[in-house]
Amino acid sequence: KAGVTQTPRYLIKTRGQQVTLSCSPISGHRSVSWYQQTPGQGLQFLFEYFSETQRNKGNFPGRFSGRQFSNSRSEMNVSTLELGDSALYLCASSLSVLNEQFFGPGTRLTVL
Amino acid sequence: AQSVTQLGSHVSVSEGALVLLRCNYSSSVPPYLFWYVQYPNQGLQLLLKYTTGATLVKGINGFEAEFKKSETSFHLTKPSAHMSDAAEYFCAVSEGQAGTALIFGKGTTLSVSS
Repeated sequence: KAGVTQTPRYLIKTRGQQVTLSCSPISGHRSVSWYQQTPGQGLQFLFEYFSETQRNKGNFPGRFSGRQFSNSRSEMNVSTLELGDSALYLCASSLSVLNEQFFGPGTRLTVL
Repeated sequence: AQSVTQLGSHVSVSEGALVLLRCNYSSSVPPYLFWYVQYPNQGLQLLLKYTTGATLVKGINGFEAEFKKSETSFHLTKPSAHMSDAAEYFCAVSEGQAGTALIFGKGTTLSVSS
């Protein structure tokens, strides 16, 4: 069974631009969560989707948004990029709530 | 709000020595606790988890952790370190009774010397 895939793996953007990251969960998984990992703040929860509905949201500004499609694939969007948005963005999928989360390899975003 | 504190950002052990990575949590509700490992340039892999039941939890690669409610701790141990255990380890707590939003500690980098 294929694991969680994230595209692209690496991305370079400039301040003010917007970016869309994609996550394909493991087949059959309906829950997708997103996390931001930085050296300073560590791993922080962004949001979680289940059956196309946002179930939970972390403490991030409105520039960070996401959505989930009917096939459980998820995207997250960051608008008006700032230097501090440079991070590894990790996606995780699970069958349902409280099931084990399986993480993808992440998308490394660099904002110049 | 829930939180996780990992004591020691860096732990060094010799191959064959005991590994002990410390984790304390804060939670106003019964917690769900997890340990993840991250190798360079990779995502996170679940080592073990505590939800309910037995407080001593065994995971993959010979790791185990014990949930101690009175000490609000969930320390990770392995009797004998291998070189391949060198990685970054994260303790996490699930926010609330249900849901998969994880609150992570800052992480502990484990170095293993021969």
